Amino acid sequence: SQQGEEDPQALSIQEGENATMNCSYKTSINNLQWYRQNSGRGLVHLILIRSNEREKHSGRLRVTLDTSKKSSSLLITASRAADTASYFCATDWGAGSYQLTFGKGTKLSVIP
Amino acid sequence: ETGVTQSPTHLIKTRGQQVTLRCSSQSGHNTVSWYQQALGQGPQFIFQYYREEENGRGNFPPRFSGLQFPNYSSELNVNALELDDSALYLCASSLLPPGSLHNEQFFGPGTRLTVL
Repeated sequence: SQQGEEDPQALSIQEGENATMNCSYKTSINNLQWYRQNSGRGLVHLILIRSNEREKHSGRLRVTLDTSKKSSSLLITASRAADTASYFCATDWGAGSYQLTFGKGTKLSVIP
Repeated sequence: ETGVTQSPTHLIKTRGQQVTLRCSSQSGHNTVSWYQQALGQGPQFIFQYYREEENGRGNFPPRFSGLQFPNYSSELNVNALELDDSALYLCASSLLPPGSLHNEQFFGPGTRLTVL
């Protein structure tokens, strides 16, 4: 079963605008990761935030984590057409393995 | 490019047949995981191998099996294919051993399996 749930399921914005995606999860985690997937191809790792971190930045990406609410958000600033993709959050909660539990994803469309 | 390759890219099989999917990880990546992604869903964990031993399994039946080889390649085998097995199959490799906190996984482009 899916651990995380992304919100919204789909998002359409104009180029240059900011995009915010949210993720909620159910159990305690070691870390939370965000991935991007273009057109049903492989996943690209974007950013990892540990359970003891609250905010992390990488280029135009900003991720927050609220473990008390079991939620995370991904902000993409100054979006570009090339950011059009599906975005997934994945949680690592199992000890001793790399089992990642993914949500259903947010499909982002950036209109030029 | 993640350095992880998968073959074949696409595959069509009929119900009841058997299939073998292959993955080649980056050199030094001793951990490989396999995921199944149905259309419109997120990837679901099938199993993980570390140094050629299974190290964790998701909620998949025994007809899903795997192998990992010393040359950083691995296989996913599925017997008695069912229509619901139609999906994108992704492998992912990791440099760090299981249990490490920073466990970035490098995904391959996937194999799209269609079962008719």
